[in-house]
Amino acid sequence: ETGVTQTPRHLVMGMTNKKSLKCEQHLGHNAMYWYKQSAKKPLELMFVYSLEERVENNSVPSRFSPECPNSSHLFLHLHTLQPEDSALYLCASSQELLAGGQDEQFFGPGTRLTVL
Amino acid sequence: GQNIDQPTEMTATEGAIVQINCTYQTSGFNGLFWYQQHAGEAPTFLSYNVLDGLEEKGRFSSFLSRSKGYSYLLLKELQMKDSASYLCAVRDSNYQLIWGAGTKLIIKP
Repeated sequence: ETGVTQTPRHLVMGMTNKKSLKCEQHLGHNAMYWYKQSAKKPLELMFVYSLEERVENNSVPSRFSPECPNSSHLFLHLHTLQPEDSALYLCASSQELLAGGQDEQFFGPGTRLTVL
Repeated sequence: GQNIDQPTEMTATEGAIVQINCTYQTSGFNGLFWYQQHAGEAPTFLSYNVLDGLEEKGRFSSFLSRSKGYSYLLLKELQMKDSASYLCAVRDSNYQLIWGAGTKLIIKP
């Protein structure tokens, strides 16, 4: 247990569906992240939030919409996805954003998303 | 551009030693991280290096040479449970983490 939970663990959706991924951290951290992990590729940073404000959006298509209602919760709303969006979506948190030292990121187990 | 290179896959024998290399080219350097990720699970933090040299943590050690843009993770007395992917990540001058694609380590009896 890393202190970061994600639901659902698995999701299959059609291209016209709307679904949401949920992440919750129990660590009292101030920064939260969404990553996409595809096979044999580096982790791709999608969104970064610090104290509930979005500070990074790495050219992610608008069919992905994040929401951070408070410092413990993070959502990723999905709409009109493409088959190439099938991947493992990981949520992470860290004590601070842009921190030095050993301020490592703590990851959730991910949501395995399949788009048909 | 920024780049992290590590081998795609390695195989080692239970009880042996294995070294996983990571080379990087980034815009600045503010530390290097190693994570372990078992299949279907969250990546978990293993080690952090910011100064040159070796950091030892039980069976795992991590080495850094900033002048060479090089790190390695050394795993001793390998156990079957060490079968996992090992991810190298560098924090750049903007404090962003740049990730390698990971090295899948297969341990054989």
